[in-house]
Amino acid sequence: DAKTTQPPSMDCAEGRAANLPCNHSTISGNEYVYWYRQIHSQGPQYIIHGLKNNETNEMASLIITEDRKSSTLILPHATLRDTAVYYCIVRVALRYNFNKFYFGSGTKLNVKP
Amino acid sequence: DSGVTQTPKHLITATGQRVTLRCSPRSGDLSVYWYQQSLDQGLQFLIQYYNGEERAKGNILERFSAQQFPDLHSELNLSSLELGDSALYFCASSGLITLDRDDTGELFFGEGSRLTVL
Repeated sequence: DAKTTQPPSMDCAEGRAANLPCNHSTISGNEYVYWYRQIHSQGPQYIIHGLKNNETNEMASLIITEDRKSSTLILPHATLRDTAVYYCIVRVALRYNFNKFYFGSGTKLNVKP
Repeated sequence: DSGVTQTPKHLITATGQRVTLRCSPRSGDLSVYWYQQSLDQGLQFLIQYYNGEERAKGNILERFSAQQFPDLHSELNLSSLELGDSALYFCASSGLITLDRDDTGELFFGEGSRLTVL
């Protein structure tokens, strides 16, 4: 049921930017793109979300293509603590207040010294 | 600390048994979500409750059931357990989400209940 496609794994050198891609080619106009991450077996943690425009917060930046069919999560200066599974999720708004959040398999980001 | 509390943290039981997992959402959150994560797998959405009512259903087996109580805590009941039910079960909560205002729609996850079926 997941509506996103992500590479299964990526490596990144510590201190460099990590760019994690996500394909969501069937996204519809009122669906948001969310990114979460899961460190080891902890509960997933919210990172950022967006609809059309690029977004930035203290954790990351989200770049959404103009056609909204893909996005990239950018961790500007990856640290070892950023090693985690990163999930890209499209929020399906079923109706008022009722949303399924489908998680795919995510991308395992390995940050290396 | 997300504010979402799940109990028990660990549970070991035998095939054929029944267990109940409990979730207390963040104070004021009306929606509760349940997810299952088998070993090295992604999170599978099971079910969502909003203010006591079931609102969305995912890949939940008939042997599983859930409810949300008036105090907003939720329980996930797993019965006739099989080896394949061994997994991490996460609960998440969120506040009011509308389509006509810019809400983060953020889910707050608990630390999970690890179920082992022997």
